[in-house]
Amino acid sequence: GAVVSQHPSWVICKSGTSVKIECRSLDFQATTMFWYRQFPKQSLMLMATSNEGSKATYEQGVEKDKFLINHASLTLSTLTVTSAHPEDSSFYICSARSPGLETGELFFGEGSRLTVL
Amino acid sequence: GQNIDQPTEMTATEGAIVQINCTYQTSGFNGLFWYQQHAGEAPTFLSYNVLDGLEEKGRFSSFLSRSKGYSYLLLKELQMKDSASYLCAVTDSNYQLIWGAGTKLIIKP
Repeated sequence: GAVVSQHPSWVICKSGTSVKIECRSLDFQATTMFWYRQFPKQSLMLMATSNEGSKATYEQGVEKDKFLINHASLTLSTLTVTSAHPEDSSFYICSARSPGLETGELFFGEGSRLTVL
Repeated sequence: GQNIDQPTEMTATEGAIVQINCTYQTSGFNGLFWYQQHAGEAPTFLSYNVLDGLEEKGRFSSFLSRSKGYSYLLLKELQMKDSASYLCAVTDSNYQLIWGAGTKLIIKP
């Protein structure tokens, strides 16, 4: 199956700093990637849909100025958590769909665990 | 509104069989997925159903009834490594993926 890689896997930062998480599709071109957040013992929560070459589509309640998404190429999307606070500590996961298939399976990155001190 | 229901937690014995149910009410239907997620890891794909019936893949099988808005994931010959959360997700008419809260499966020796 297709491979999606996410980096970093773990990040600890101080409150008020910004953190960038990268999501790469290694063996296919992904025009659309998805960013999720998952708190402990809860399900995935879609934050935004990242579209290559255009602005991301954010879900209701997600601050677009706080969670900056850039999808500059067909293989890379980045999520930047700006001015991070302890309540932003969570597991962030990206995913991409099988190329050309809107109903295709989602391939997930390994996830990035953010801890804000 | 759109809703997916699955049990919060289930317990089963190693070597046994367990069935995890999922019911959904969504605006349209374009397929149902089952994903497995071990603690602290990203989800991994298990199965995809878009037509009614049973799809078998090794020890895992998934069933779909679109008229009933119902699916189940059947795990046979349970192994300790099957302890994980199992997520049911449905693609609606806009091809948006709606996620269930997941079922935590605990396997006991």
